[in-house]
Amino acid sequence: TQTVSQSDAHVTVFEGDSVELRCNYSYGGSIYLSWYIQHHGRGLQFLLKYYSGNPVVQGVNGFEAEFSKSDSSFHLRKASVHWSDSAVYFCAASTNMGYKLTFGTGTSLLVDP
Amino acid sequence: EAAVTQSPRNKVTVTGGNVTLSCRQTNSHNYMYWYRQDTGHGLRLIHYSYGAGNLQIGDVPDGYKATRTTQEDFFLLLELASPSQTSLYFCASSDWDWGSNTLYFGAGTRLSVL
Repeated sequence: TQTVSQSDAHVTVFEGDSVELRCNYSYGGSIYLSWYIQHHGRGLQFLLKYYSGNPVVQGVNGFEAEFSKSDSSFHLRKASVHWSDSAVYFCAASTNMGYKLTFGTGTSLLVDP
Repeated sequence: EAAVTQSPRNKVTVTGGNVTLSCRQTNSHNYMYWYRQDTGHGLRLIHYSYGAGNLQIGDVPDGYKATRTTQEDFFLLLELASPSQTSLYFCASSDWDWGSNTLYFGAGTRLSVL
């Protein structure tokens, strides 16, 4: 069974802090990983993805994520958060076929101004 | 930017009612998806399609039918709605390729089954 685990349901930080949102997966074989952001009352929007190559990938608005095969992880990071980064963040994974994404349960990030 | 439009945005029905959720994408994407979002479960895939007339079963298909009438239009049908189907429903589209599948989501339909 393929699974995506986001262990932190809620994370609260202050504006200007760094943040890391964790994602672990359980898949066999090649894997396609991505992160999405959902602002309140909106649909999900793509942030970044990894399939192969450099394990550190850059996304929009200063977000980056690092793939680790040994840890089965794809954690999302930002060096300095802004209040507008408050949202729910979803990690998603699939096999290299890619067309069927499995999402984690999401992490709600609250940035105190 | 990809455009995915869902209608209605909100819907209230009664147990046993008949509901159709609509989704239209205007980006010539091959793949379309229906997800439901529930607290504690994240997004779960109901049905998806890779072209007009095609339908694939997702992870939580029970109680749902879907139909892809054109490349643009994908419908989700609840023929005998139950309270357990109260949820936030998202449609998404993508232009799948090897190693890449970025989904573009609609704004969602909030369904309440009383």
